[in-house]
Amino acid sequence: QKEVEQDPGPLSVPEGAIVSLNCTYSNSAFQYFMWYRQYSRKGPELLMYTYSSGNKEDGRFTAQVDKSSKYISLFIRDSQPSDSATYLCATPKGYFGNEKLTFGTGTRLTIIP
Amino acid sequence: GAVVSQHPSRVICKSGTSVKIECRSLDFQATTMFWYRQFPKQSLMLMATSNEGSKATYEQGVEKDKFLINHASLTLSTLTVTSAHPEDSSFYICSARGAWGTTSTDTQYFGPGTRLTVL
Repeated sequence: QKEVEQDPGPLSVPEGAIVSLNCTYSNSAFQYFMWYRQYSRKGPELLMYTYSSGNKEDGRFTAQVDKSSKYISLFIRDSQPSDSATYLCATPKGYFGNEKLTFGTGTRLTIIP
Repeated sequence: GAVVSQHPSRVICKSGTSVKIECRSLDFQATTMFWYRQFPKQSLMLMATSNEGSKATYEQGVEKDKFLINHASLTLSTLTVTSAHPEDSSFYICSARGAWGTTSTDTQYFGPGTRLTVL
C-alpha cells in the first residue's frame, strides 16, 4: 500500500465551480500535510499546509484534514483558468514541512473558461 | 526571497555520456538539498538527501554510483548522472531547506526542474 494515494484524474470543471481534490494516507503517525501546485514543466510550489486535523483557509483555497479517516482535501472556490495545473498532496517524514517529502501521484486539473 | 534555480533547464545527451545538473539557492543558505525524479504523469520520487559537507543519503533502489551528488557549498548541490541511458530520461527537481533560523521550517523551496533526455 502506498503511503499517500491520490486520484490522478484528469479532472475538468467549468470556470467558477468549486473543486475538490483528495488524498488518503496510510500511516496514522503523519502529522503534517501539504498541498503543492505544479504547472507543466515547472517545479512544485507550496499552496497550503495543515497540521493535524481541521481546516485552514487561504483566499479561495481551503485545506482540510480528517485524521480519523486519514483523508486530506483541498477545495478551490471560484475556480479560475489559471488554477489549471497538477495538484500534489504531500507529507514529510517528520514534524516539519522542510523535511523529505512523500508525494501523492498528483491530480491534473483543468478549468474550462 | 527563497529562490532556487537549476541549470540547465533542459539537456539532451547521447547514451553513455555523463550529465551534471546544478541546483543553487540564490538568496539563502541551504544546509540540506533534496533531489527528486519525476517520470511523465507520475509523482515526484525522492532520490537522495544532500547535506552540505557530507555524503548524500540515497533512497532505497537509487544507485549512488550512477547518481553522484555533491553538496560542496551552502548554495550549490550538483547531481551527475553517469553513463546515462534512455531509461534515465526524466524530470529532475531539487529542493532546498534553509539553515535553521534563516528560513521557514514549514517548507522547502523547489527549483524549476531539469528535463533530461537520453538518446
